[in-house]
Amino acid sequence: GNSVTQMEGPVTLSEEAFLTINCTYTATGYPSLFWYVQYPGEGLQLLLKATKADDKGSNKGFEATYRKETTSFHLEKGSVQVSDSAVYFCALSRFGTGNQFYFGTGTSLTVIP
Amino acid sequence: EAQVTQNPRYLITVTGKKLTVTCSQNMNHEYMSWYRQDPGLGLRQIYYSMNVEVTDKGDVPEGYKVSRKEKRNFPLILESPSPNQTSLYFCASSEGLRGGEAFFGQGTRLTVV
Repeated sequence: GNSVTQMEGPVTLSEEAFLTINCTYTATGYPSLFWYVQYPGEGLQLLLKATKADDKGSNKGFEATYRKETTSFHLEKGSVQVSDSAVYFCALSRFGTGNQFYFGTGTSLTVIP
Repeated sequence: EAQVTQNPRYLITVTGKKLTVTCSQNMNHEYMSWYRQDPGLGLRQIYYSMNVEVTDKGDVPEGYKVSRKEKRNFPLILESPSPNQTSLYFCASSEGLRGGEAFFGQGTRLTVV
């Protein structure tokens, strides 16, 4: 079946620290991979995505590389800010089955000044 | 502005009283979905729709109904709500393309007492 496993939280970092949130997936076929971010009281917003192996998605200083050999899509940022405090979800989608998305359980990040 | 609109944002109801949560999108997307978000479980898909009059069950469909009479609307119906349906609900729509992004509504926080 299809599933996403991501690092348990919560994660607390000091401002300017390096961030890694691990994400691995199980899927049949060739999924697309996503990171979504949820700020308090809001819906999910797309942070970045990658649609094939070795693609790197990037946005707002965040990066993730689609690694088919390790079935991973780890999220990284070199220097986090207080405004990055949010819940981060790793997800995959499989085209052709309702474009169904499968989400990880989410990782809560708090950045302290 | 591209958006997915859900209503209401907050709802408290009693066990057994039928309710409908509305969802509308203005992007002409074919795919629409409903998810529920519960602590420690991430987002789980309830139902999805690939087009008008085409709907199918997701991972947790019990106790819910949907309809897709128009492309833009995808209401979620709880015929007889129970306390275990207390949750945060999200509607999403996505493009019918490989790697298409899912756009999320702001969420509906439902409490069933």
